[in-house]
Formats: sequence, structure tokens, C-alpha cells
Amino acid sequence: GAGVSQSPSNKVTEKGKDVELRCDPISGHTALYWYRQSLGQGLEFLIYFQGNSAPDKSGLPSDRFSAERTGGSVSTLTIQRTQQEDSAVYLCASSPGLAAGEQFFGPGTRLTVL
Amino acid sequence: AQKITQTQPGMFVQEKEAVTLDCTYDTSDPSYGLFWYKQPSSGEMIFLIYQGSYDQQNATEGRYSLNFQKARKSANLVISASQLGDSAMYFCAMREVGGGADGLTFGKGTHLIIQP
Repeated sequence: GAGVSQSPSNKVTEKGKDVELRCDPISGHTALYWYRQSLGQGLEFLIYFQGNSAPDKSGLPSDRFSAERTGGSVSTLTIQRTQQEDSAVYLCASSPGLAAGEQFFGPGTRLTVL
Repeated sequence: AQKITQTQPGMFVQEKEAVTLDCTYDTSDPSYGLFWYKQPSSGEMIFLIYQGSYDQQNATEGRYSLNFQKARKSANLVISASQLGDSAMYFCAMREVGGGADGLTFGKGTHLIIQP
């Protein structure tokens, strides 16, 4: 079956531009997670969704970051006015439900801000 | 304080030898889960093994086993009979069930290189 998919796989943008990253979870998975992986910070948890709801947004690095999920499926992570420190690999994961053990990761989106 | 500590930034191991990757964790939540993921150079995160804090027995999955020592807050990954394809980054992670955020907290990883 299909795994978690993410698009684009690579994104190069100029400082100050907005970007949208997309995650398509495994069908039927109600929980969805966003992480960021960078050389300096390692793997950081950003936000999770249970259904369409994100109960805790405190992990988002700044108010330039936002995320939404519609229809209990696809999620988008939006970064406004990108900065060079936003350069990282953004990983999405899904699981059948909260506290359900394994999280299945997508291939990631590599974001480069020039 | 770090919640997940992996003290081995890099390891070189001969093929077919057993490997132990260290992981210690810090939590006051009585209910938590511990995970190991493998990340090859291609970048994907591959789930290896899971241990729940209330599990009585150490988890095993094929060549992978988790040496869970709850009192020491230790969750070392053991890979038996290592193979060249085991060369990758390995991440230990924890989810605190009572924490509310439900995301995984990762260690900084161990870069394992298997030598022929």
C-alpha cells in the first residue's frame, strides 16, 4: 500500500518568500505529525493533528509557521517570509491514532532558503 | 536537560559483529514509549523497534532487540550479526503519553558504519 507522501521533494526559495509543503498521510491514519531536521538542531517535533485539530502549536518555531489539515487527510505546512535558518528537511509522519506506537515517516521535503 | 541522550556520535563495527547503540532518557511521565529509527543516506526514516514503559519483556524484531533497563532509564538497541546495509544514522526517540503533544523527542543520533 501507499506510504506517506510529501511534495515537493525539494524546494529552493528566496529569503522573504512564502512556501507551502504538503503531506499526504497513509489512508485511514487519523494522527499526523510534522518534524524538522537540520544539522544544527537535529530532529525537532513541530506540530501534530488528530483529525483536523491541532491541539498544541507551541512547537512551531515562530509565528511565521502555520499548519492546517483538511478532511482528516492532507496537511500543509506554510512558512511565511522565509529566512535562511528555515533551511532544513521537513518530515511528515502519520499513525493510526494517538499513542498508537509506530509513526510512519514520509521521504521529506528539503527546503533551501537562499 | 536533554530528554534523549545518545552518547556515541559515530561507531565503526566489523561486519557480522553484534552492535549496541546506547540511549538514555529522562522523563517523569510513568507512561511513555521508546522507539528506534534508522535513517540511511537516502534520508527516509525507517522504524525498527518499539518498547512501552509498561512492557514486561524486552522488545525484539528480527535482528533488532531493545535492552530496556527501566530503573537506569536506558533503552539500548542491539543489532545482532551486523550487515553492510546496517550502515546508517540511528535515532532513539521517546513519546511521553501524558505530555499532551504526542510528538516524538529524538536524540542526536549515532552514525553507524559497518566495515567489511
